[in-house]
Amino acid sequence: EDQVTQSPEALRLQEGESSSLNCSYTVSGLRGLFWYRQDPGKGPEFLFTLYSAGEEKEKERLKATLTKKESFLHITAPKPEDSATYLCAVQAAQGGSEKLVFGKGTKLTVNP
Amino acid sequence: DVKVTQSSRYLVKRTGEKVFLECVQDMDHENMFWYRQDPGLGLRLIYFSYDVKMKEKGDIPEGYSVSREKKERFSLILESASTNQTSMYLCASRPPAQGYTQYFGPGTRLTVT
Repeated sequence: EDQVTQSPEALRLQEGESSSLNCSYTVSGLRGLFWYRQDPGKGPEFLFTLYSAGEEKEKERLKATLTKKESFLHITAPKPEDSATYLCAVQAAQGGSEKLVFGKGTKLTVNP
Repeated sequence: DVKVTQSSRYLVKRTGEKVFLECVQDMDHENMFWYRQDPGLGLRLIYFSYDVKMKEKGDIPEGYSVSREKKERFSLILESASTNQTSMYLCASRPPAQGYTQYFGPGTRLTVT
């Protein structure tokens, strides 16, 4: 069964304090790994798609990396507006449903 | 910009009522999805559609049905709402030629009393 585990469940940082969020996955052939940001009461906002081990994507203070077993979302010098829940999801290459399997998320709080 | 809209942000219904949740995308996407999100359980796929009048069950289809009569619109139907269907409902759409990335709408918070 395809599974995604995110850690930590919650993370508190001071503004400017860099850190990383982890997404470990087991999937029967990876079609893609996706990172989303979700603010309270809103739909997930797309951040990155990674397709193969070694791939990296960057956007402002965020950088996502991928290995064969996990992905990291690195946050450099975070600001309070980066506070949100970050969701990781994988899509298996096998099967035709295009279903995303989501982790439970990491709730990030950045204090000023 | 990819735009996915949902008909209501908040909805309160009574047990036994028939409930319609609508999702619209304006980018000619073929694939559309309905998820529900619950604390501690994360997002789970209810149904998806890969073309007009085509649908497939996701992980938790019980108590739900869907309709896709036009390409841009995908409706989720709760035939007889129950309290355990109180949840956040999220519609997603996958544009062609952008890999397999799904884009989500703003969500509908449904409360069944």
